[in-house]
Amino acid sequence: DAKTTQPNSMESNEEEPVHLPCNHSTISGTDYIHWYRQLPSQGPEYVIHGLTSNVNNRMASLAIAEDRKSSTLILHRATLRDAAVYYCILRSRGVLGSGSARQLTFGSGTQLTVLP
Amino acid sequence: SQTIHQWPATLVQPVGSPLSLECTVEGTSNPNLYWYRQAAGRGLQLLFYSVGIGQISSEVPQNLSASRPQDRQFILSSKKLLLSDSGFYLCAWSVGGMNTEAFFGQGTRLTVV
Repeated sequence: DAKTTQPNSMESNEEEPVHLPCNHSTISGTDYIHWYRQLPSQGPEYVIHGLTSNVNNRMASLAIAEDRKSSTLILHRATLRDAAVYYCILRSRGVLGSGSARQLTFGSGTQLTVLP
Repeated sequence: SQTIHQWPATLVQPVGSPLSLECTVEGTSNPNLYWYRQAAGRGLQLLFYSVGIGQISSEVPQNLSASRPQDRQFILSSKKLLLSDSGFYLCAWSVGGMNTEAFFGQGTRLTVV
């Protein structure tokens, strides 16, 4: 399985942008980069995903390096409610059916602390 | 719209007792289903996933088992709980392949005493 590497923790000040990095040097050409976040005592929630081009949605932006070996999740204005563990994962095509199902494996993520 | 139901929210069980956690999904067909466990202060560990009725794949050997008796029902079971089975259990579903998002239930906090 292609793996991802993230810093264990990061801090940000409220209302400032946050850039959460993720390295995935063994990514294959068909792997999608997904980001989820988990608030305390809740299940993870989807944030954003992309393949090659940068992506924007109402929650965040995803910047993908040209060689796709790294990506950055950007929160444009951090709020206290953005404090969570952020997970970067790769979803692979793999074997038809079970392969893509299996590729929902989470690493340890980055604990984001937002300071008021 | 699609929803996922997971119950109970919290559970306290004695060591050696059986366990049954249920997860159901509404509003979609033939989803991929997942069970995760999260120990206190730790990351998510994938326990089981299923791509169809009766098809269960186990990611780690353990004291737990999973079953999928219906298309949108996923059950996590144990015949005899251990203290180490304590944790936060999460059910999730997704459809399609790597270009789709996954949706998680609210979780069950299991404490084995």
